[in-house]
Amino acid sequence: QVQLVQSGTEVKKPGASVRVSCKASQYTFTDFYFHWVRQAPGQGLEWMGWINSKTGDTKHAQKFQGRVTLTRDTSTSTAYMEISGLTSDDTAAYFCAWNYGGQDRLDYWGQGTLVTVSS
Amino acid sequence: DIQMTQSPSTLSASVGDRVTITCRASQSINGWLAWYQQRPGKAPKLLIYMASNLESGVPSRFSGSGSGADFTLTISNLQPDDFATYYCQQYYSYLTFGGGTKVEIK
Repeated sequence: QVQLVQSGTEVKKPGASVRVSCKASQYTFTDFYFHWVRQAPGQGLEWMGWINSKTGDTKHAQKFQGRVTLTRDTSTSTAYMEISGLTSDDTAAYFCAWNYGGQDRLDYWGQGTLVTVSS
Repeated sequence: DIQMTQSPSTLSASVGDRVTITCRASQSINGWLAWYQQRPGKAPKLLIYMASNLESGVPSRFSGSGSGADFTLTISNLQPDDFATYYCQQYYSYLTFGGGTKVEIK
């Protein structure tokens, strides 16, 4: 069973950047996808984008293009999601999720990372 | 982009009830639909994929159906653990989630 462990809670000021990590373990194949999904307080789930673990190819939801950077480190099986130019609207829980197919169901999820943007 | 609309947004039910949640896509998604359960403060959990396939380990009281653009999630014999929020997600064209349905205790 794949396990995803995310980095801890972050508190940032408006205009700053934040980087959240997601480390995968107990997987079999080397070609898979990390996804990022965010959830504002009391709101629903919003898909942000994916990165392929093997090729590094990314796909962003249109809303997040240009402000969100997805990267990965194959040596540590870790994915990173960085958001620049934070505003209060970015206050949310950020989840990483995992699948083999990219455009597919999300089989496994990290525990979530709370990012609070406040002056 | 494909939009996903769930209804109702909130549903009140009792233990033992049968409940149905509806998810409608803005176009046909050919069965490329998943359902998730999310408990407060926790990550979502995959329940059903390809509209009607039960994920391993998920109780059989959960079932999914539908095709084209209209889908349903049914929970028969509602259990205390089932009071949670449920989301549909299409993967016909990238990924989009529905707005969620909260199943609360009547």
